[in-house]
Amino acid sequence: RKEVEQDPGPFNVPEGATVAFNCTYSNSASQSFFWYRQDCRKEPKLLMSVYSSGNEDGRFTAQLNRASQYISLLIRDSKLSDSATYLCVVNVGYSTLTFGKGTMLLVSP
Amino acid sequence: NAGVTQTPKFQVLKTGQSMTLQCAQDMNHEYMSWYRQDPGMGLRLIHYSVGAGITDQGEVPNGYNVSRSTTEDFPLRLLSAAPSQTSVYFCASTGGNYGYTFGSGTRLTVV
Repeated sequence: RKEVEQDPGPFNVPEGATVAFNCTYSNSASQSFFWYRQDCRKEPKLLMSVYSSGNEDGRFTAQLNRASQYISLLIRDSKLSDSATYLCVVNVGYSTLTFGKGTMLLVSP
Repeated sequence: NAGVTQTPKFQVLKTGQSMTLQCAQDMNHEYMSWYRQDPGMGLRLIHYSVGAGITDQGEVPNGYNVSRSTTEDFPLRLLSAAPSQTSVYFCASTGGNYGYTFGSGTRLTVV
């Protein structure tokens, strides 16, 4: 079983649409959870941390369900600039991260 | 504030050559890691360090060495390059439980 699983996509959506990505993780000892964004041929950049209570940053909302070992990311009012690969990331301690393979989002005019 | 700086950005090696990928951070972060990213594979951990003088292996350590003599620097050495080491290499650092900052990557081709 893969440690962090994501649907690779691509998700093709029009501008203004709402899109949701999901991720599952296998290690129940995981402590920290993140969504990263990676543009083509660029480094991953932290989009947001994910907390059990759920958290929101502008058009982005992240949710964590520890019982189901499930993480989600919701993007509202999609922009062309949201086109990227979104990486689900977990870690057990501070020292290392485990990455999903990413979900590709393509937003079209 | 430079963040995490990786050099070189691009490199072509011949099979059997050795080289060092440099990584430096100016954020006084304790934790540093090296990842490689291959198409369809996602990012995989090569080696990591939890502080100066302390390193450990990740998921794919074979063919690579690291050392951490200072908090700022975490070089990755390829001992004898092989075509299977053609990849994009990312260095990353964090000071705690708020996610890692990545360098801009080194694109390595081994011919």
